Amino acid sequence: EIVLTQSPVTLSLSPGERATLSCRASQSIRSYLAWYQQKPGQAPRLLIYDTSNRATGIPARFSGSGSGTDFTLTISSLEPEDVAVYYCQQRSNWPLTFGGGTKVEIK
Amino acid sequence: EVQLLESGGGLVQPGGSLRLSCAASGFTFSTHGMSWVRQVPGKGLEWVSAARSDGPGSFYADSVKGRFTISRDISKNILYLQMNSLRAEDTAIYYCVKQLVPGTNWFDPWGQGTLVTVSS
Repeated sequence: EIVLTQSPVTLSLSPGERATLSCRASQSIRSYLAWYQQKPGQAPRLLIYDTSNRATGIPARFSGSGSGTDFTLTISSLEPEDVAVYYCQQRSNWPLTFGGGTKVEIK
Repeated sequence: EVQLLESGGGLVQPGGSLRLSCAASGFTFSTHGMSWVRQVPGKGLEWVSAARSDGPGSFYADSVKGRFTISRDISKNILYLQMNSLRAEDTAIYYCVKQLVPGTNWFDPWGQGTLVTVSS
């Protein structure tokens, strides 16, 4: 099973700051990584797939990068509505797995 | 608009059974693989099971293999999850999810979820 490790666990930033979230895979997953956003009380929403492709309707301030085992989700300028837990997910191997999540808070 | 509407959750005793349903609309159900993903309230996400679009093949997490069965009724556009021999650790919100693009296991969108509570 591929283990995805996300860091940090919690990220507290001021509005307008840049947020950098990390996801590390226990073995190479090529570019088969996605990011999801889950706001309080809501179901998750797909943000990024295949490492760097934004899903429909996702603002341009969200971007993804990486390959192999190290991946990054960047929020270029944090907005109050970005408060959420962010999860990465791989589809390179069965079973499909998720990271443990990074909680983004506003200072 | 794509919609996924789960139902069938509730309270069940350990060792009991439950069948979840997911009514799908707004897309060609027969061409998209579907999955169930669960989440213990306040905790992270766990993929549970996937049903292929192109045949009877299915996949399961080790934690549910042999106890859960995923199936789909193409004529009714419904995805099911039959859960047997339920345990306390199966308590979670169960989400029905659709493949973003056929053949890729990126999940979009997600249903609103149905809560399963296993307790005596």
